[in-house]
Amino acid sequence: DVKVTQSSRYLVKRTGEKVFLECVQDMDHENMFWYRQDPGLGLRLIYFSYDVKMKEKGDIPEGYSVSREKKERFSLILESASTNQTSMYLCASSPYGLNTEAFFGQGTRLTVV
Amino acid sequence: GQQLNQSPQSMFIQEGEDVSMNCTSSSIFNTWLWYKQDPGEGPVLLIALYKAGELTSNGRLTAQFGITRKDSFLNISASIPSDVGIYFCAGQKGGGADGLTFGKGTHLIIQP
Repeated sequence: DVKVTQSSRYLVKRTGEKVFLECVQDMDHENMFWYRQDPGLGLRLIYFSYDVKMKEKGDIPEGYSVSREKKERFSLILESASTNQTSMYLCASSPYGLNTEAFFGQGTRLTVV
Repeated sequence: GQQLNQSPQSMFIQEGEDVSMNCTSSSIFNTWLWYKQDPGEGPVLLIALYKAGELTSNGRLTAQFGITRKDSFLNISASIPSDVGIYFCAGQKGGGADGLTFGKGTHLIIQP
């Protein structure tokens, strides 16, 4: 079974802190994604990566950066956390190809106070 | 970014009833995926559809990829309490590297 693991289920951080969310997948997938999920807004793509050291902005990249130094690991970084970044963050991975499926981690509920 | 139009937004049904939900888009997709999300968890893939017109089942779940490639539906037959959750449709256009486009979800609530 594909396993996508996010390092924390719940995080509470203070405004202005630098926050790291880690995601690891064990299926050698090329693509990895970070989404945030908010009530009424659905899932929105923050950043994605299709290879090591490659990254592309999604729909809402402002206030975030990412790092992919190894194929299995994709990190989301909040450079200076703000209260409007309180959300559920979801990591996903998929193999490259036309007809592929994306698999999600269990999510990280981040609260910025 | 674009989102898919998913309906209904929520459903209140009796245990044992059948459920139907759908997603539409103004764009063509190559792949349609249906996910279920339980509270506080990540979405879990239920069904994947790859060809226009394709009808696929997974137990009591049946999903179809619309002929126009702009829509998909999901049916759940004989609902049970553990079907409660949020169901999302997702479409994929290209090689997968540009991510999925999601519907806003259908919240399914089952009354015993």
